Amino acid sequence: EADIYQTPRYLVIGTGKKITLECSQTMGHDKMYWYQQDPGMELHLIHYSYGVNSTEKGDLSSESTVSRIRTEHFPLTLESARPSHTSQYLCASSRTSGANVLTFGAGSRLTVL
Amino acid sequence: GEDVEQSLFLSVREGDSSVINCTYTDSSSTYLYWYKQEPGAGLQLLTYIFSNMDMKQDQRLTVLLNKKDKHLSLRIADTQTGDSAIYFCVQAAGGYQKVTFGTGTKLQVIP
Repeated sequence: EADIYQTPRYLVIGTGKKITLECSQTMGHDKMYWYQQDPGMELHLIHYSYGVNSTEKGDLSSESTVSRIRTEHFPLTLESARPSHTSQYLCASSRTSGANVLTFGAGSRLTVL
Repeated sequence: GEDVEQSLFLSVREGDSSVINCTYTDSSSTYLYWYKQEPGAGLQLLTYIFSNMDMKQDQRLTVLLNKKDKHLSLRIADTQTGDSAIYFCVQAAGGYQKVTFGTGTKLQVIP
C-alpha cells in the first residue's frame, strides 16, 4: 500500500515540451528526494529537500527544478525536455529522525522523442 | 569518500542460498540498508542494521556487518523465483544521515 504517489507513471513527449512530474506523500515526512535511475540500474540523487521552502541540488547535475511549498508535495519540472532526459525518475521521502528509512514511489518513466 | 560498491550480477538456482556482498567507504555510517527493486517498480526496504550490530536475521534474510572491513552482506535462504530483483546496498552517515546507494546487484533465480 503506497503512501507516496507519483504521477504520471509513464510519459512520452516530444522535444521542447515542459513537463512536471508529481510526487505526494501522506506520511508527514520532512525529507523528500528525487532520484534519476539509469537503464543500467544505478540511482543518482538529483534533488532533495529537508522541509518546506528548502531545496538542494543532489550529486548529479540536472536541468530540472523542484519546489517544496507544502510538506506533502515535491514536484519536479523540466522546462524544455530533451531526449537526454529520458529516464526513470524516483521520488522518496523519509523522517528527520531515526533510521532515515526511505519510502519510494513507484517511479515515473519519461521518454522524450 | 562515500562510495558503496556491489557486484553487478548474481545467478543462483531456486532453493539455493544467495549471498549479495557490498563494501562501503564511510566509516561514520550509522545505518546500513538493503533495498529491493522489482522490474518496473520503485525500491522497497528489505531490512537495515545499525552500525553497532554485526548480525540481523529476519525470516529468510540474514545481514552480516563487518565494520573493520566495511563489508556488508545479505544472505537469502531458500531463494525463490520471486526473489529475482535488483538489490541495493545503502549507507546513511553524517549529521543529516546522507544516504548513498550502491550500484545494485541484479539477482537472477533459475528455476
